[in-house]
Amino acid sequence: SQQGEEDPQALSIQEGENATMNCSYKTSINNLQWYRQNSGRGLVHLILIRSNEREKHSGRLRVTLDTSKKSSSLLITASRAADTASYFCATGNQAGTALIFGKGTTLSVSS
Amino acid sequence: DGGITQSPKYLFRKEGQNVTLSCEQNLNHDAMYWYRQDPGQGLRLIYYSQIVNDFQKGDIAEGYSVSREKKESFPLTVTSAQKNPTAFYLCASSIVGGSMGANVLTFGAGSRLTVL
Repeated sequence: SQQGEEDPQALSIQEGENATMNCSYKTSINNLQWYRQNSGRGLVHLILIRSNEREKHSGRLRVTLDTSKKSSSLLITASRAADTASYFCATGNQAGTALIFGKGTTLSVSS
Repeated sequence: DGGITQSPKYLFRKEGQNVTLSCEQNLNHDAMYWYRQDPGQGLRLIYYSQIVNDFQKGDIAEGYSVSREKKESFPLTVTSAQKNPTAFYLCASSIVGGSMGANVLTFGAGSRLTVL
């Protein structure tokens, strides 16, 4: 089934640095979403970018979408220890009735 | 407060037993979903339902069953036919359609099932 794949699998940075994680997907999409998961908790929606958008911002988050390359990136600027979490991209299934998630990028921000 | 409640948070099961995980939402969402999460595997879709009394299989439905008798509730039964049920189970809900295009999910806190 259609699935996003995040890269890298794990990322370790210092507080104040920027964190960039990438997502590649296989087929055409209507939109792509990013979610965050703190250890042992449920996922929280961060941002949605539509297929006709190239960039979107929300606070310290910046998401880009390149439909020609079937890829998206999530940039977290000025990272904080509280940003430590796993980040997932998600796209719709073929019917557009459910989300399919990638395996995620685990971000560790040390102070 | 609106949200999704999953229970129990932790559940232990002996091999051969069926167990049911509860998922209740008060967000007035039409659609509900069950995902399974294993370490390093991300989330995999088990079942989903867009309307009461109707549901569809996801990618890994074998060994699981669901019901959707009420809009607010979408329980998941892990049957003895599921060969490797130890995992973290996540329930989610969403509106159907809407201005954002599709399926922004609200998740519960999860239920961790361990088979002894």
